[in-house]
Amino acid sequence: EDKVVQSPLSLVVHEGDTVTLNCSYEVTNFRSLLWYKQEKKAPTFLFMLTSSGIEKKSGRLSSILDKKELSSILNITATQTGDSAIYLCAVFTYLYNQGGKLIFGQGTELSVKP
Amino acid sequence: GAGVSQTPSNKVTEKGKYVELRCDPISGHTALYWYRQSLGQGPEFLIYFQGTGAADDSGLPNDRFFAVRPEGSVSTLKIQRTERGDSAVYLCASSLIGGGTRSTDTQYFGPGTRLTVL
Repeated sequence: EDKVVQSPLSLVVHEGDTVTLNCSYEVTNFRSLLWYKQEKKAPTFLFMLTSSGIEKKSGRLSSILDKKELSSILNITATQTGDSAIYLCAVFTYLYNQGGKLIFGQGTELSVKP
Repeated sequence: GAGVSQTPSNKVTEKGKYVELRCDPISGHTALYWYRQSLGQGPEFLIYFQGTGAADDSGLPNDRFFAVRPEGSVSTLKIQRTERGDSAVYLCASSLIGGGTRSTDTQYFGPGTRLTVL
């Protein structure tokens, strides 16, 4: 059975700290790995990773995929209270006769204290 | 804006009632997905539409759940004889092409409908 596992499940840090969120996966028909940030209800897109070892960066956030280890990390440097959210990792799988879908991990709840 | 929209934002119903949840995808997106998110969990896949047809409905939990997308744009998720266990946030997402033998694209999510079954 396909699965995505995130760790830690929750994390409390202080403003200015650097955090690393982990995601590991066991899926068939892997196409890409995506990170989303969820505040309240709608997950908002952060990164999509398809190639191993290539870092994607957006401001203080960065992410990298390791296809050999079947894992990805999301780094946030100089955290701010506005970074408090649930971070979701998802793998997009695709079968020719069925199409694609995202398989999500359970999320990491990040709380940044002032 | 031009994002995915969902209505209603909240729905409270009684056990046994019928509900419809609506999703308006980003204009031009051919792929549409429904997910369900229970408290403390990541979203779980329900159904995927490519155009008007349901390409994969393997995530629908049982035959009380049904979804349509008659014109290839707006989609409605229908739940008959609701049960307390159906209470969750129902998320809709759309993407430009849905992926192919060599491609993948990003899914953009709507704000969700929080369904509460009393």
